[in-house]
Amino acid sequence: DGGITQSPKYLFRKEGQNVTLSCEQNLNHDAMYWYRQDPGQGLRLIYYSQIVNDFQKGDIAEGYSVSREKKESFPLTVTSAQKNPTAFYLCASSMTSGRNEQFFGPGTRLTVL
Amino acid sequence: AQSVTQPDIHITVSEGASLELRCNYSYGATPYLFWYVQSPGQGLQLLLKYFSGDTLVQGIKGFEAEFKRSQSSFNLRKPSVHWSDAAEYFCAVAILSGGYNKLIFGAGTRLAVHP
Repeated sequence: DGGITQSPKYLFRKEGQNVTLSCEQNLNHDAMYWYRQDPGQGLRLIYYSQIVNDFQKGDIAEGYSVSREKKESFPLTVTSAQKNPTAFYLCASSMTSGRNEQFFGPGTRLTVL
Repeated sequence: AQSVTQPDIHITVSEGASLELRCNYSYGATPYLFWYVQSPGQGLQLLLKYFSGDTLVQGIKGFEAEFKRSQSSFNLRKPSVHWSDAAEYFCAVAILSGGYNKLIFGAGTRLAVHP
């Protein structure tokens, strides 16, 4: 069954700690994305990657980092530099060519204690 | 600049009533438009999409949307709402930015359904 998995579903972090959110897809998509969702603000793009070993900053990249060592994996690290990291994080993927729909994972809710 | 506006933050309808969720976009080229639905604590599921052709598109779960270029709108409709339709709905436009496929989302409309 093709899809996108994200883990963990819930994550708690103490201030000053880095945490890494996992995103894996088996859709054979080239492009992958990370979004942050806050109530009443829709989705905001953090980072995206079109191919392995390449990624670009989105609209709100400060305090986040990513890697793309494998086509199917796109982990997101929330660093201690992120001032307000408590949010719902969504990973997505799409075919690269053209303006295609994106397929979303189930999300990870991060809470900073 | 490209943008998507969903004027209604919250909408409440009775079960069995008809539904229309509004979406207006701003994009200079031919828009590729989407409606997604999100249940609480879940990811987004694609309801329908418009790329070209017939301006009335059918989606899953009995939803449809109509693209009106003259009004820059892509409103979502359903003739009879079910309690299970209670969720948050997002309209989005796909653009090519710096050579990559980018989705611009509206802020969402939260739908409540009264029995």
